[in-house]
Amino acid sequence: NAGVTQTPKFQVLKTGQSMTLQCAQDMNHEYMSWYRQDPGMGLRLIHYSVGAGITDQGEVPNGYNVSRSTTEDFPLRLLSAAPSQTSVYFCASCRDYPNEQFFGPGTRLTVL
Amino acid sequence: GNSVTQMEGPVTLSEEAFLTINCTYTATGYPSLFWYVQYPGEGLQLLLKATKADDKGSNKGFEATYRKETTSFHLEKGSVQVSDSAVYFCAILGGGADGLTFGKGTHLIIQP
Repeated sequence: NAGVTQTPKFQVLKTGQSMTLQCAQDMNHEYMSWYRQDPGMGLRLIHYSVGAGITDQGEVPNGYNVSRSTTEDFPLRLLSAAPSQTSVYFCASCRDYPNEQFFGPGTRLTVL
Repeated sequence: GNSVTQMEGPVTLSEEAFLTINCTYTATGYPSLFWYVQYPGEGLQLLLKATKADDKGSNKGFEATYRKETTSFHLEKGSVQVSDSAVYFCAILGGGADGLTFGKGTHLIIQP
């Protein structure tokens, strides 16, 4: 199993640009989530999904959209990037909630 | 809402020293408790977990005990190694919130 994979590893955007961060898992996990990691803040939940077709907001959802059309994929979309979205983004999954979550390697995003 | 408080670093120790990283939490009900470790440039890895009161999680010489009466989950290791240098995150799952709630992380530096 590849586990949780994320692409790209690094990305630089200009303010106002849009992009999609990809996340996939091959463990047939129902629950998937996105976190952002900022210095001195720990990780904070952006959006999560308890299964295909179901998504919900976490602690810091503003500026981000998600969809879950398949069990495997959970992309995170930035519609109009802002410097405040400069962060490291982690995708995670687990078999069902609440259980231990497995994390991807992260995407480091810089918005200029 | 849920919250996690852990000692912030950096914490600098000599090799073979005893390690304690304190973690306390606030949550409703009975959350599951976790310690995650993040090595430089990598994602988060689960170090250990405990799902009910008085459970002890252990892995790689690290231990933590779920103390419901003090709402704590302190991480300990009897003899640290240089390879233990990393950032350690205490986290809780459940207890009335969606997703993991993280502490801000403790940067541990082990000197030879």
